[in-house]
Amino acid sequence: AQRVTQPEKLLSVFKGAPVELKCNYSYSGSPELFWYVQYSRQRLQLLLRHISRESIKGFTADLNKGETSFHLKKPFAQEEDSAMYYCALVGTDSWGKLQFGAGTQVVVTP
Amino acid sequence: DVKVTQSSRYLVKRTGEKVFLECVQDMDHENMFWYRQDPGLGLRLIYFSYDVKMKEKGDIPEGYSVSREKKERFSLILESASTNQTSMYLCASSLGNPKTQYFGPGTRLLVL
Repeated sequence: AQRVTQPEKLLSVFKGAPVELKCNYSYSGSPELFWYVQYSRQRLQLLLRHISRESIKGFTADLNKGETSFHLKKPFAQEEDSAMYYCALVGTDSWGKLQFGAGTQVVVTP
Repeated sequence: DVKVTQSSRYLVKRTGEKVFLECVQDMDHENMFWYRQDPGLGLRLIYFSYDVKMKEKGDIPEGYSVSREKKERFSLILESASTNQTSMYLCASSLGNPKTQYFGPGTRLLVL
């Protein structure tokens, strides 16, 4: 069975400090991994996908198949990064069904 | 820009009522999904549909049904609402590939 674990419910960081959101997954094949973000009073939206290997809003995430992790990182947090972040997985044997983690609330304080 | 709309932002219903949540997408996406979002549990898939009149159960289908008569519209039905169905309901759509999902604004349902 596929599973996504985000161990931190809440992450509080100061503006300008690095931030890392942890995500671990279990899946027997080669999944696609995503990070979705929900800002206050906005809809859930894609932040980045591992296959794109891109940096969005200063965030990066590297898929580590050995550790089955897909941690999200940003070197200098900004106040506008305050949001709920969800790690999600799509298996190769599905119709694009997302398996979400429980989410991490990030609060960036000045 | 993909647009996914949901018929209501807030709904208040009584226990036992039949509840309809509507979702419409305007990008000719094949796949549509219904999730519920609860604090500490993340998003859990209720049902999804990969084509008109086709539906598949997700992880928590009990107490729900769905209907997809047209490609752009996917309805979630609570046959007899219960208080444990109080939640935020999110609709999403996607093409087959890439698998990026686009979400609606959500419907916050309160069952009294």
